[in-house]
Amino acid sequence: EDQVTQSPEALRLQEGESSSLNCSYTVSGLRGLFWYRQDPGKGPEFLFTLYSAGEEKEKERLKATLTKKESFLHITAPKPEDSATYLCAVQAGGGYQKVTFGTGTKLQVIP
Amino acid sequence: NAGVTQTPKFQVLKTGQSMTLQCAQDMNHNSMYWYRQDPGMGLRLIYYSASEGTTDKGEVPNGYNVSRLNKREFSLRLESAAPSQTSVYFCASTETRDGYTFGSGTRLTVV
Repeated sequence: EDQVTQSPEALRLQEGESSSLNCSYTVSGLRGLFWYRQDPGKGPEFLFTLYSAGEEKEKERLKATLTKKESFLHITAPKPEDSATYLCAVQAGGGYQKVTFGTGTKLQVIP
Repeated sequence: NAGVTQTPKFQVLKTGQSMTLQCAQDMNHNSMYWYRQDPGMGLRLIYYSASEGTTDKGEVPNGYNVSRLNKREFSLRLESAAPSQTSVYFCASTETRDGYTFGSGTRLTVV
């Protein structure tokens, strides 16, 4: 069974204090790993897709990396507007379009 | 550019009542999905439609039915609501291997 575990559950950072969020996964034949941002009361917003180990993608202060067992979302010099819940999800190979989501890391950035 | 539009945004039902959640996308996407999100659990797939005219069960389909009315619209029906169906429901769509575009959600309470 595909599994996604995100850690920590919650993270509180001072503005400018860089850190990383972790997403560990087990999946039979990774087709893609996704990162989303979710603000309170809203739907998840797509950030990145990573397809193979060693791949990296960046967007503003965010950088996502992928290994064969986990992914990291690095946040460099975060700002209060980066406060949100960050969700990780994996899609297995095969015909069934099953995407397994983690429970998220709630990030709070304090001015 | 509206993206994915869900209606209603909030709903309170009595046990046993029925209702339909509406979803429409204006991005010409082939694939559409219905998820539910509960505290402490990841997003879970209820039903999906890989293309117009097809629908398939996801992880948690019991108590729900869906209709892919046309390429734009994908509705979710609760025939006899139960308290266990209290949740936030998200519709999503995609065209490629990349991530989903989510709607803003329907917050449903069954009393």
